[in-house]
Amino acid sequence: DVKVTQSSRYLVKRTGEKVFLECVQDMDHENMFWYRQDPGLGLRLIYFSYDVKMKEKGDIPEGYSVSREKKERFSLILESASTNQTSMYLCASSSRQGAYEQYFGPGTRLTVT
Amino acid sequence: EDQVTQSPEALRLQEGESSSLNCSYTVSGLRGLFWYRQDPGKGPEFLFTLYSAGEEKEKERLKATLTKKESFLHITAPKPEDSATYLCAVQATGRRALTFGSGTRLQVQP
Repeated sequence: DVKVTQSSRYLVKRTGEKVFLECVQDMDHENMFWYRQDPGLGLRLIYFSYDVKMKEKGDIPEGYSVSREKKERFSLILESASTNQTSMYLCASSSRQGAYEQYFGPGTRLTVT
Repeated sequence: EDQVTQSPEALRLQEGESSSLNCSYTVSGLRGLFWYRQDPGKGPEFLFTLYSAGEEKEKERLKATLTKKESFLHITAPKPEDSATYLCAVQATGRRALTFGSGTRLQVQP
């Protein structure tokens, strides 16, 4: 079974702090993704990576950056957290082969106060 | 621009009362259509991939079908444990990212 893990289930940070969210997958997948999920807005893509050190912006990249130094690990960075970044953050991975179905981690509920 | 619209937003069923969820999509070229189940506070769980019109996939009480413009998730004789939000997503040819719908929140009452 594919397993995607995220470093924290719940996180509370203060405005202006630098926040790191970590994601690890164990299936040797090439593609990894970061989404945020908000009520009424659905899943929105922040960034994705299709290879080590490669990244592409998604639909809402402003205020975020990412890092992929190893194939299995994909980090989302909030450079200076703001209250409007309070959300559920979901990491996913997929293979370059076949149909690209994405497998998700359990999510991190981030609250910025 | 790829678009996915799911209906209804919410659906309440009695245990055993079969129904269908709809996913309408607009995409330049369809590589795949995906169905996920999401329980509250958890990440989406992959259910099915459909590739072309006429294709069907089944898993327990769930059956997914695909036409050129929409997909249906049929739920036969649902049980309370089927209560969840069901998400539909599409992938366009040549793209790595998926486009998700807003989901249908299903509640099955005993």
